[in-house]
Amino acid sequence: EAQVTQNPRYLITVTGKKLTVTCSQNMNHEYMSWYRQDPGLGLRQIYYSMNVEVTDKGDVPEGYKVSRKEKRNFPLILESPSPNQTSLYFCASNKREGVNEQFFGPGTRLTVL
Amino acid sequence: DAKTTQPPSMDCAEGRAANLPCNHSTISGNEYVYWYRQIHSQGPQYIIHGLKNNETNEMASLIITEDRKSSTLILPHATLRDTAVYYCIVRVFNAGGTSYGKLTFGQGTILTVHP
Repeated sequence: EAQVTQNPRYLITVTGKKLTVTCSQNMNHEYMSWYRQDPGLGLRQIYYSMNVEVTDKGDVPEGYKVSRKEKRNFPLILESPSPNQTSLYFCASNKREGVNEQFFGPGTRLTVL
Repeated sequence: DAKTTQPPSMDCAEGRAANLPCNHSTISGNEYVYWYRQIHSQGPQYIIHGLKNNETNEMASLIITEDRKSSTLILPHATLRDTAVYYCIVRVFNAGGTSYGKLTFGQGTILTVHP
């Protein structure tokens, strides 16, 4: 089954404790991205990657890091989480040619205390 | 990318057609209309997209006006499972550079399907 998986699905942590949210897709997609969703602000793109070792900032990259060492994986790293990073996070992927169908993961609900 | 305007909420009776409107009066010639939906904090799900012709797939139909300034997503026989937030997005099909692949989600329309 074609899918994007994220782990963990739920996470409660404390300020300053480094964490990684993993994302993996099994569709051999070149393009992957991370979004965060907050009430009243909609979905905002954090980082994206056009292929292995090619990443760039989205609209709200501050406080986040990403890496793309393999085509299928695109982890989101919070080196020193803060309460304002409490949010619902989505990973997404799509083929290089066009964005007519972007596949989203199930989401990770992060709470930073 | 062109801005879209959608009603904040709509209701529909189960089994009836749900018609969700979207205004995109500033759409340019190379921009497509995409529809996604998000069911209760799940990941958004692609529904359909189109340029200027009406489109239909197994999930829905998309009607785009001749001047392309507005469109309507039609769920022909709404079910309770169609209750979701529906997003209308307008963007270039294959934008390059920093816009590549990015979908800009607005507030969408909350569709509630009633029994």
